[in-house]
Order: sequence, then C-alpha cells, then structure tokens
Amino acid sequence: DQQVKQNSPSLSVQEGRISILNCDYTNSMFDYFLWYKKYPAEGPTFLISISSIKDKNEDGRFTVFLNKSAKHLSLHIVPSQPGDSAVYFCAASPNYGGSQGNLIFGKGTKLSVKP
Amino acid sequence: EPEVTQTPSHQVTQMGQEVILRCVPISNHLYFYWYRQILGQKVEFLVSFYNNEISEKSEIFDDQFSVERPDGSNFTLKIRSTKLEDSAMYFCASSDQAGANVLTFGAGSRLTVL
Repeated sequence: DQQVKQNSPSLSVQEGRISILNCDYTNSMFDYFLWYKKYPAEGPTFLISISSIKDKNEDGRFTVFLNKSAKHLSLHIVPSQPGDSAVYFCAASPNYGGSQGNLIFGKGTKLSVKP
Repeated sequence: EPEVTQTPSHQVTQMGQEVILRCVPISNHLYFYWYRQILGQKVEFLVSFYNNEISEKSEIFDDQFSVERPDGSNFTLKIRSTKLEDSAMYFCASSDQAGANVLTFGAGSRLTVL
C-alpha cells in the first residue's frame, strides 16, 4: 500500500540544468509534505516542506510545488549542482488525530548531477 | 550544528538474540522517533515517543519492540528476539514540536540478523 509514490527511481541531470523530482500521494488526509535528501551512510536531511494550504514554497535553489487536485508534488532544483547528487525522499504527514511525527515516505529518487 | 547520534553504526546478531540500539537526540528536543529502512525499500515509521510514553506506533512495532528513555539523554530501541526480517537500517529522529514539524535524523544503525 503505497500512499506516497515516487515513480522514478533515478534521475540524471547535467550541472546547471533544472532537476525535477516528482511525488504522488493517495491520501487526501495528508496536510503537510516534506522533501528529505539522503547521502550514503547518513540519515535523511530535511530540505524543504509545504503545507497543503499553499501551492508553492521556495528556498534558494529549491522550490516545491503542490497540486492538491492532482495529489501531486514536485521538487525543482535550479541550477543543479554535483553536490545535489543524493537520494531524495518525498514524505507526507497525515492530519488525523494523534499523529505525532508519523511521516510516510516514498521510496526515493536517486539524483545524479553530472559536471 | 546539533545532531542526533546513534550507536552502534552496525550490529550483527544471531536470530533470536536481543538487540538494543541507542540514540542521543538533540538536547532541547522533546519528541523522539524510530524509523527503519529495509534494504531497497522505503523508510518506515516505527514509533514516536513524548513525555516518557509512546504517543504513536505503527503495525510494525509489535510486542518484540520496545522503547525507553532511561536517562535525560538516551533513547533506546530494543528488539527482544530478533528475526531475519528485522535486518534493516534503523534511524532515530527527534523534533522540538509534534506533528508535521521537521524531524532531524541520525545516521542510522545497520542491523544484520543472521
């Protein structure tokens, strides 16, 4: 039961170009979405988030877009840099009573940015 | 920058043995979590802990699992009788607020059950 889906296991992008990572979700009770980045031998690191009341959030080179009607969000990285090469996880937080940090993760997309 | 530290980084154990994974959350955080990632699969929520009690747990977190905050700094995950399918990377995380607040993860403890 994949409530959060990242259908692309990998993505390769040239340095300086835009990276677009996609995520779909099925549960309309999700009200907060996060992107985490993970390097090998490290834990996931928070990157950017968005509340369901917004459709866009921007932080430097990173922008997250949310399309609630399509239950879809995307992470844009522009310009992409070799240091951005990592696995990117989309995560959702459910908005039902008692939820305490139960993030539901996608399987991740491995981004490779080539110099 | 404050970080969540986990020990051991890798533990190999025999099936049926008890394992304790340790975590030191960020000092001013109040909410603590354990997640796991089986190789090739997604990161899965196990349990959240606040005010010295479990606040939420997943179906994975059955009677074989327990968590404890034995002192003011450590947060442990115990697996009473390990099974082969418990082999995974276990991540501890902490946050200073409940709900959708950003979680800070540790580097993980890899558990291999033989």
